[in-house]
Order: sequence, then structure tokens, then C-alpha cells
Amino acid sequence: DAKTTQPTSMDCAEGRAANLPCNHSTISGNEYVYWYRQIHSQGPQYIIHGLKNNETNEMASLIITEDRKSSTLILPHATLRDTAVYYCIVRPPSLNFGNEKLTFGTGTRLTIIP
Amino acid sequence: NAGVMQNPRHLVRRRGQEARLRCSPMKGHSHVYWYRQLPEEGLKFMVYLQKENIIDESGMPKERFSAEFPKEGPSILRIQQVVRGDSAAYFCASSPGQWETQYFGPGTRLLVL
Repeated sequence: DAKTTQPTSMDCAEGRAANLPCNHSTISGNEYVYWYRQIHSQGPQYIIHGLKNNETNEMASLIITEDRKSSTLILPHATLRDTAVYYCIVRPPSLNFGNEKLTFGTGTRLTIIP
Repeated sequence: NAGVMQNPRHLVRRRGQEARLRCSPMKGHSHVYWYRQLPEEGLKFMVYLQKENIIDESGMPKERFSAEFPKEGPSILRIQQVVRGDSAAYFCASSPGQWETQYFGPGTRLLVL
């Protein structure tokens, strides 16, 4: 599985955009990048995923570099409720048995400052 | 559309007792995954099931743990003869198909005294 590297922690002022980086330099061409977050012991919440193109939904935007070796999750207007641990996960290619599981790292602890 | 449901939310057991954790997937989802989160650690995959089949149990301890997803009813994670080290949060996720996005439930927090 491709390994991901994320900063241990980050702060962001309320109302500003939160930009969370993820390095996945060993990613292969058909692996997806997924983002989840976990708010204080709750179940992980799916945020967004992408393969090559940038993606946007009602929660966030995902920017993937052209070489796909890194990505950035953007929360456009952070609120206090966005304080959580954010996990960047590279999902192995489909069609390979055993690749259905998600491998969670240590993530980035994002704190939104009032 | 209700999300993934898990019950109980909190479970206290004494050493040697059995723990049964239930997971009802989202409507239309037939794939269920169980993960465990030990205190101050990340989530670890345990088992992946489809209706009436265990697809991947590579993350599940070989002894005392079992999982099922019957044709009718919720998925059950069963832990026999619990020990203190089983104290953790157990999360269930579901997806509509293989390799599709997994959506997580709120978890069951097991405390073994």
C-alpha cells in the first residue's frame, strides 16, 4: 500500500481556509486518495476522494498535484466544528483481493481557533 | 436515509464474559467492515463481510473473535472471554459495493473491567 505522510497537527483561524497537506509519493497510477475525519471519538466521517482531477463537494475541495505525489484538502471556511483528526488514505487498486480495507495512519489533528 | 447504526453505543463487560456488537448497514448497502480503535491509536481493519460471507478476516485475532453478517438482520461482532486488552472503540462501516466508499457508524465503546 502507498504510504501517506501528514503533519501531526495544524491550527487554523475560524473563518479562514484550512489547507491540509498529504504526501503520497509512492502512489501508483490507479490508486485513489481518500479523506476522512474523526471528530473527538466519533465514527470517521467521509469527506471526499479523487484519482487525478481536482474534486469539490459541499464539504471540501481536494487538489491533487499533476504528478499525484501529494494532495491538499481544503476546507474553505473553517468553523469550530471542523476541529478533528483528518486522515489521508491511499486506497490500493480495485480488483485486488484484500484491498477493500482502509488503512488509517495517524492523521493531522486540526484545531480551529476562535 | 439513516446512516450506519451500531448498538449498543457503550458496553461494559467483566473479564471472561462475552461481548456482542451489532451493526446495521445503511439502506442498500450489502458490504460491512469492522474496525477497532484502541485508546490513543488509529483505526485498524478487522474483517470485511458480505451477506452470509466473510471476505477478508486478515485483521481479526485468530482466537475469541468472530463475525457474521446473516441474510437477515445486522452484522454481529462477537468477542468471547473478553480481556482488558479488548477495551476499545469498535466501528462498523458499510458500502453499497466492493471498493466503494465506506460510511462509518458511531461506534461501540467496549470497556472490560
